[in-house]
Amino acid sequence: GQQVMQIPQYQHVQEGEDFTTYCNSSTTLSNIQWYKQRPGGHPVFLIQLVKSGEVKKQKRLTFQFGEAKKNSSLHITATQTTDVGTYFCAGAFSGTYKYIFGTGTRLKVLA
Amino acid sequence: DTAVSQTPKYLVTQMGNDKSIKCEQNLGHDTMYWYKQDSKKFLKIMFSYNNKELIINETVPNRFSPKSPDKAHLNLHINSLELGDSAVYFCASSDSPGRNNYGYTFGSGTRLTVV
Repeated sequence: GQQVMQIPQYQHVQEGEDFTTYCNSSTTLSNIQWYKQRPGGHPVFLIQLVKSGEVKKQKRLTFQFGEAKKNSSLHITATQTTDVGTYFCAGAFSGTYKYIFGTGTRLKVLA
Repeated sequence: DTAVSQTPKYLVTQMGNDKSIKCEQNLGHDTMYWYKQDSKKFLKIMFSYNNKELIINETVPNRFSPKSPDKAHLNLHINSLELGDSAVYFCASSDSPGRNNYGYTFGSGTRLTVV
């Protein structure tokens, strides 16, 4: 079936270090979305990427969509304790509008 | 004003019972969803309705039955609850498929514990 994998599953970083999570699909995606879920909270939409090779920035967060539209990444520069949470990608496969959520990456930031 | 509200927030019940979770959105969205998040944090889609029409029906036991009386409401009824049904259930809403440029708006979740 259609799956979206994320690595790493867990990441612990010292405050101020950078962090990257990667999202991979075996088949082409029409677009990809990213969400953040704080501990005990609900997923919150961050951004959508549609075009091949697209790069978008939100303050310290940089999102990329691969040229083949099969992978994506989220990079956080100089992490802060407020960045703690689980980051999910959600991919929509070509020909469908159903979003499949990735397995998530749990980020812990040590002060 | 809560955009997507779910009730109840917590639900503890015995095996074999029947329970319902309610969801309402005031965003004017056309599409609503039920997601299940297990203890490993995996988010899996269960159902989706677009303007009261069922458009996504994943491989879910038929003990789970969604109902959408109008496009602002989506309820989930679960019959004969089992231990494995314990999870957090999230309701979400969005613009219609194809115009979903602003992602899903999730409710705060219902933590279901079956004992």
